[in-house]
Formats: sequence, C-alpha cells, structure tokens
Amino acid sequence: GAVVSQHPSRVICKSGTSVKIECRSLDFQATTMFWYRQFPKQSLMLMATSNEGSKATYEQGVEKDKFLINHASLTLSTLTVTSAHPEDSSFYICSAVGGRLKDTQYFGPGTRLTVL
Amino acid sequence: GQQLNQSPQSMFIQEGEDVSMNCTSSSIFNTWLWYKQDPGEGPVLLIALYKAGELTSNGRLTAQFGITRKDSFLNISASIPSDVGIYFCAGQSGGNEKLTFGTGTRLTIIP
Repeated sequence: GAVVSQHPSRVICKSGTSVKIECRSLDFQATTMFWYRQFPKQSLMLMATSNEGSKATYEQGVEKDKFLINHASLTLSTLTVTSAHPEDSSFYICSAVGGRLKDTQYFGPGTRLTVL
Repeated sequence: GQQLNQSPQSMFIQEGEDVSMNCTSSSIFNTWLWYKQDPGEGPVLLIALYKAGELTSNGRLTAQFGITRKDSFLNISASIPSDVGIYFCAGQSGGNEKLTFGTGTRLTIIP
C-alpha cells in the first residue's frame, strides 16, 4: 500500500502557457500533500504544503500566484505552473502523508517539466 | 530554504565494499529519514528513525539517529550494483511536518 502517482510524467510546453500536474494517493487518504522542486544534480526543495480543504502554505521565495495549488479531495492535489518560463523547467515531485505508516511521506515518481 | 549538510557528496566504490555517509544539521529534528533516488524517479524511503540514539537496520542498510538529534548516519554493507543512486537524508520536526532534505550523496560502483 501507500502508492502515489503523478500525471503527466513529463511535459514540454511553450513559454507563457500554463501546465497542470496532478498528484494522487492511490490506496490511502492523504490530508496533507507536499510539492517539491528538484533542479539537476540538486536536492529536493519544498515549495508548498497542501492541506485538503484549505489554502496551501508556501515556502519563502515561492510565488503563490505562479504556482497554484488545489487540494480538493483526500486523494488529489494539483500544481498549476502559470505563465511558465524556461527557468521553471525542473523536476516536480509530490509526496503524500498517510498510508500504513501514517506520518510517513510517500513520494510520487515526479514530473519532468521542460519550458521552451 | 534550509538544507542539511550531507557527506560525502559522491562516492566511487567497488562492488562488495561497505559504504558510510552522514548528515548533520544546525537544528534539532525529532525524526530522521533516509531516502534513495534513482534517475528520473521520486525518492524511496529506506529507513526511518524516531528516537535519539536509535539504531535501525533494513537488510544491508543500517542507520542511526544521533544522540544530539542533530545528525544521522547510514551504512550500506557489501554493496551491490543496484545500490547505485543518490541517497538523501531528511529531517522532520513532527509527524505531519515538512521534510528538510540533505544535499545528497551520489553512489557509483566501479566495475
């Protein structure tokens, strides 16, 4: 148990367009999901904490109007990168808290975003 | 954002060798976690440590939660080719709280 999926796995878009990434907990309910960004050869950096039914909490330096997060159900959180620019190209990874070890974060497989 | 100091940054070893890496923080954490990440994938949890001084094993992996709660180490014994990847430590203040990740240790096995 405790499987987290992300869709799409990779996306290429033109500069100025918006991209939506979905994060789903497949076999458990997750009241909290986290969104991370990882640049090449670097560690994971937390972008925001997403709680079901409430507004996301963003880390310092992350623009909430650019990275829109919606956690509408206990199994789905979405991250929308609005007006994407080449510098937004990165590996976006979500995690969900829950499952058999209820305080453990289970990570999705990541979404590779490339903005041309 | 804050990152934990992880060392070494990279390791080149031969198959069968033991590996040791550690992670230090300037602040206290209540939980230490070790993850492995393969290229193009999300991190996978290897070991979770919940109590200062705790020593926990998972197969050939052993990790310890430092007594000061500011550090942790991970050992891998008798390395095999599938151990190749990037290992990250992560600290957590409380059970639903965000993770702070280490800078990562890239493990390469020389044929």
